[in-house]
Formats: sequence, C-alpha cells, structure tokens
Amino acid sequence: EPEVTQTPSHQVTQMGQEVILRCVPISNHLYFYWYRQILGQKVEFLVSFYNNEISEKSEIFDDQFSVERPDGSNFTLKIRSTKLEDSAMYFCASSEGGSRTEAFFGQGTRLTVV
Amino acid sequence: GQSLEQPSEVTAVEGAIVQINCTYQTSGFYGLSWYQQHDGGAPTFLSYNALDGLEETGRFSSFLSRSDSYGYLLLQELQMKDSASYFCAVSPYGQNFVFGPGTRLSVLP
Repeated sequence: EPEVTQTPSHQVTQMGQEVILRCVPISNHLYFYWYRQILGQKVEFLVSFYNNEISEKSEIFDDQFSVERPDGSNFTLKIRSTKLEDSAMYFCASSEGGSRTEAFFGQGTRLTVV
Repeated sequence: GQSLEQPSEVTAVEGAIVQINCTYQTSGFYGLSWYQQHDGGAPTFLSYNALDGLEETGRFSSFLSRSDSYGYLLLQELQMKDSASYFCAVSPYGQNFVFGPGTRLSVLP
C-alpha cells in the first residue's frame, strides 16, 4: 500500500541551527502539507503546497520556515534558525484532491531543539 | 477562521459503544474528517462526511449536521486497540485541514 515516508524519524539540533526535514509523498498525489504537533497537543497546520508553490500557510509558518519540492518525489521543510519552541513532531501529509479527499500522513519526524 | 471543540477525554469498556462529538465554527467547508492517532504514531484517516448524514465503515460511523454545526464519531464493539486520540478535522474552502483539539479515548477491560 502506498505511504508517505519521512526522514529522519528523530532529529536533535542545537538552537540557531538549520534543519531540513524530508518527505516523500504518495506518488500520484498533488497536494502536500506540513503539520506539527507539540507533545500532547493538537495537530497544527503549517503549510500546503500545490503545483510547485505554497497554496496556504498558517501564522506559525513565518520567515524562518520554507518548503521545497527539489525533484519529482521529495518535499522538504527547512527551519532556518531553530528555536527551543520548534521542538515538536512534524508530520508530512499528501492528498490526491486537496481537502476534498483524505490526507495520508507520514510517521513524523520528532525534532528536539536543545 | 475555524475553531473546533471536542471533549478532552472519554472512557468506555470493551464491547461498549462510544460517541465522540465535534462542534465547529467555520465559514464554509468541504467536509468533516476523523483521524485516529495512537501514542507516538501518525494520524490515520478514519472517515469523511461531505454531506449531512451517517457514513458507516465497519465498526466506525461518522455523522455530520451542517445546520447544527455538529458531527460525531461512533465506535461500536470497542476493543482495547481502539484506545487512542481521535481528531475531527474540517476541510475549509481552501486546501488545508484544520484539526480539533482531540479526544483521548481509553478503553478499559
């Protein structure tokens, strides 16, 4: 069964460092998303991506965040200068038809900023 | 904007039926989804209601009433493995999904 894959599963980084979280969405999906979940809290929307550009972003997705689809399969989230409060689980998701259809989530990357 | 409300915790016993409610305030949306998340895991899709009424998928059913700004997830014949967090999510006119705060379901033997 097709699935969304994310790497790494865990990332520990020092405050102020840049991190890149990687995702391979399901191959025939056109809509890609990044969400984050702080421990014990709800899943929060960061950004959606369609047709090689950002389609929507939340207030959380400020200038320190960026997304890229560097090739036909990968979808990355870059955090330029990490802060302690960026520590969270980051989920990548993809869907075939945007929010009219179900979203499939990857297993997440647990980011710890120290 | 959109906001959703769910009970924070629900407890039930094996074999029972439990209903998890979701109320929302949103200006317009395509549908209401439900996701299950086990501790340390990813949200997994359970059901989607585009239209008012009941959708049934095995032991799980989901209901939507747009006029009442309300939906619920019904879990029947509860099993221990159903212990997890359950999130409702709306798909506002746009392209993202907005998740509710989640309901932690504990199934007791």
